[in-house]
Amino acid sequence: DAKTTQPPSMDCAEGRAANLPCNHSTISGNEYVYWYRQIHSQGPQYIIHGLKNNETNEMASLIITEDRKSSTLILPHATLRDTAVYYCIVRAPSGGSNYKLTFGKGTLLTVNP
Amino acid sequence: NAGVTQTPKFRILKIGQSMTLQCTQDMNHNYMYWYRQDPGMGLKLIYYSVGAGITDKGEVPNGYNVSRSTTEDFPLRLELAAPSQTSVYFCASSQRQGSDTEAFFGQGTRLTVV
Repeated sequence: DAKTTQPPSMDCAEGRAANLPCNHSTISGNEYVYWYRQIHSQGPQYIIHGLKNNETNEMASLIITEDRKSSTLILPHATLRDTAVYYCIVRAPSGGSNYKLTFGKGTLLTVNP
Repeated sequence: NAGVTQTPKFRILKIGQSMTLQCTQDMNHNYMYWYRQDPGMGLKLIYYSVGAGITDKGEVPNGYNVSRSTTEDFPLRLELAAPSQTSVYFCASSQRQGSDTEAFFGQGTRLTVV
């Protein structure tokens, strides 16, 4: 699986959009980008994933660049409860080592009042 | 729907003791995983299972054993506890092997070995 690079920490004002970047310059054409978050040492929680197209769900939006070497997770209206460590993960499709999610250190997002 | 349930939530062990961390899921998922997370670090895969009766090693399997006799349960066994095994342990499950599936995590077991 390709490695990812994320900033160690970011701040965001409550009510504003939080944009979390992720670099995955060695991503392969069939690898997906996943985002999870972990709130205060709880179990990680799935947020969103995508391959090539931008994706949106009730939690967030995922913007993937055309060359797929980077992506941005967008929380449109951050709340204090969004304070968490956010993990960007690149995952291979079926077969091979797809059984696992490889977690880096992630980005600690702090939403300030 | 309980999802993934881990017990106990907290445990203190003495060096050399043994214990089993329990993990149960009620989503009929085939895939189950055990991760450990040391302070300030990401999660590291210990063992995983692709179905009942099938288990395999992850990145950091030494000092641990697992079994998968049923689809629902995936216990993690520590035979001779060591201080290096002080960590938070997370169990997870997913429906199938594939690029479009999400993993569900339990709330963790915080283990301290003294």
